Amino acid sequence: AQTVTQSQPEMSVQEAETVTLSCTYDTSESDYYLFWYKQPPSRQMILVIRQEAYKQQNATENRFSVNFQKAAKSFSLKISDSQLGDAAMYFCAYRGGWSGTASKLTFGTGTRLQVTL
Amino acid sequence: DTAVSQTPKYLVTQMGNDKSIKCEQNLGHDTMYWYKQDSKKFLKIMFSYNNKELIINETVPNRFSPKSPDKAHLNLHINSLELGDSAVYFCASSQSSVTYEQYFGPGTRLTVT
Repeated sequence: AQTVTQSQPEMSVQEAETVTLSCTYDTSESDYYLFWYKQPPSRQMILVIRQEAYKQQNATENRFSVNFQKAAKSFSLKISDSQLGDAAMYFCAYRGGWSGTASKLTFGTGTRLQVTL
Repeated sequence: DTAVSQTPKYLVTQMGNDKSIKCEQNLGHDTMYWYKQDSKKFLKIMFSYNNKELIINETVPNRFSPKSPDKAHLNLHINSLELGDSAVYFCASSQSSVTYEQYFGPGTRLTVT
């Protein structure tokens, strides 16, 4: 079974600074997808960024980028120029590459990010 | 227009009661999911339906029964509620069971007293 590990329960960053959230995963599959979801206090789950395992290039979405190391099974999220609105729980998630039962998302335990002035 | 909606958003009930949570998506998606987020914020899949057919049924007590009357709706019925059922329940949908992007509803916070 696939597992996702987020070893940082809490992180703090100053406004305008850069922070990196860590995620490692375990899988025997070669085809899969990885995601970072943001959950603000409103509890809405918001997709931040996704990475297809077959792509070597790291995904980027505005201030958010990932460092995907397939051999090391590592998938970290970098937030640049942090803003107060970035304060939230961040979840790393894994999805298998096949349909049916593989379509479920397996989540890590989350990292709570605080943004300070 | 809300893409994935859930009703109610909050539900407070007593142990032993039976309750339902409704989910509707207006995205034309074929696949819908139920996830449970416990008090420690851990999210875990419960069920998934694809074109009204159950495709994922994780280890969930059989007091939980999903029902999909059509592709746009996936309801969750819970019998004989227990204290441990208190959690936030999220509905999500994706275009198909192959499509990787899932869209989440706002969640239903269930409190069992």
